[in-house]
Amino acid sequence: DAGVIQSPRHEVTEMGQEVTLRCKPISGHDYLFWYRQTMMRGLELLIYFNNNVPIDDSGMPEDRFSAKMPNASFSTLKIQPSEPRDSAVYFCASSSIRVINEQFFGPGTRLTVL
Amino acid sequence: GNSVTQMEGPVTLSEEAFLTINCTYTATGYPSLFWYVQYPGEGLQLLLKATKADDKGSNKGFEATYRKETTSFHLEKGSVQVSDSAVYFCALSDQGGTASKLTFGTGTRLQVTL
Repeated sequence: DAGVIQSPRHEVTEMGQEVTLRCKPISGHDYLFWYRQTMMRGLELLIYFNNNVPIDDSGMPEDRFSAKMPNASFSTLKIQPSEPRDSAVYFCASSSIRVINEQFFGPGTRLTVL
Repeated sequence: GNSVTQMEGPVTLSEEAFLTINCTYTATGYPSLFWYVQYPGEGLQLLLKATKADDKGSNKGFEATYRKETTSFHLEKGSVQVSDSAVYFCALSDQGGTASKLTFGTGTRLQVTL
């Protein structure tokens, strides 16, 4: 199994630009999570999906952030417009109801907004 | 709400020293407890877990015991190696019995030197 795949691994963009982060969960997993990690705030859960349906988006910081999961094998996290304070490492994770609460993390996308 | 408190790092140890990283939690009900590890440049990966009081999770020489009376889940290892240098996160589930979101602590960085 290839594990959770995220792309790109690094993204550098300018303030005001649209950024799209991509995630492919482990095949057969029912849940997908998006996290943000910064030195100041640690690891924050942004949103999670169950069977492609958003369950809890209370961690999404503001309307500039949106996430979709059009099918079981793909999810996107979009920031439009991006701001320097969005600079962080964004992780995607997936899990299966068959292995309770064990989340498998991707390698992350390091986003830098100039 | 649920919360996890970890000792602040960094923790610096010499190789073969004994390691303890403290973790206490606040939760309603009976959460499951986890330790995740993040190696440099990588995503988090599950190190060990315990799903009920007095359970001991163990993996790769690390151990942690679920102590309900003290609401603690301290991570220990008898003899650390340089390769154990990483950031360690304590976490709890907010629901029992289903794959659901995790509440993470702020992480404790461990640096092991020769």
